Amino acid sequence: ETGVTQTPRHLVMGMTNKKSLKCEQHLGHNAMYWYKQSAKKPLELMFVYNFKEQTENNSVPSRFSPECPNSSHLFLHLHTLQPEDSALYLCASSEDPGQGNYGYTFGSGTRLTVV
Amino acid sequence: AQSVTQLDSQVPVFEEAPVELRCNYSSSVSVYLFWYVQYPNQGLQLLLKYLSGSTLVKGINGFEAEFNKSQTSFHLRKPSVHISDTAEYFCAVSYLTGNQFYFGTGTSLTVIP
Repeated sequence: ETGVTQTPRHLVMGMTNKKSLKCEQHLGHNAMYWYKQSAKKPLELMFVYNFKEQTENNSVPSRFSPECPNSSHLFLHLHTLQPEDSALYLCASSEDPGQGNYGYTFGSGTRLTVV
Repeated sequence: AQSVTQLDSQVPVFEEAPVELRCNYSSSVSVYLFWYVQYPNQGLQLLLKYLSGSTLVKGINGFEAEFNKSQTSFHLRKPSVHISDTAEYFCAVSYLTGNQFYFGTGTSLTVIP
């Protein structure tokens, strides 16, 4: 385990389903992120939370809905997804959201397949 | 605009041979530079980072990288690879302020026995 735990590891869902991805960190970090990783494409930043407040939404479709109830937990709620949303969804955290010299700590990801 | 280019999408190399994975970036301001490794079915793990000071940075698992400001490059090297080094490697940059990272498309390193 890397310090950032993501559940579930694998998820298969139909286009009409509603599901949620969970991310948890107990590193004392103040920033948390959702990334989408598709084959042969750069990692796509989806959402950024600093001190529980959403500070970035990179034009993500509304069928993805993030939630950050506290600095240790981050959720990604999914509904009416499309097959092209199938990807590895990675959660990450970092110490100080205001400084770029802190690396990210990544979770192992959730492999999502939309059928 | 910020961009990161990893010139090789796949690099096959024989075991115990040296390897270099290339990374170039474009930025009008100073940046921090990072290399991450992703083993199969896992998240990304930090290999090393350049913040300031010596341009040669040593990381985990025997990897090192050299920052070249004039060529805007941050190539990753290892003098002798092992089978266990087979993985995807990502170069990334971030600004001195702010917490957004910009990742390259990755280089798949395959070590051949």
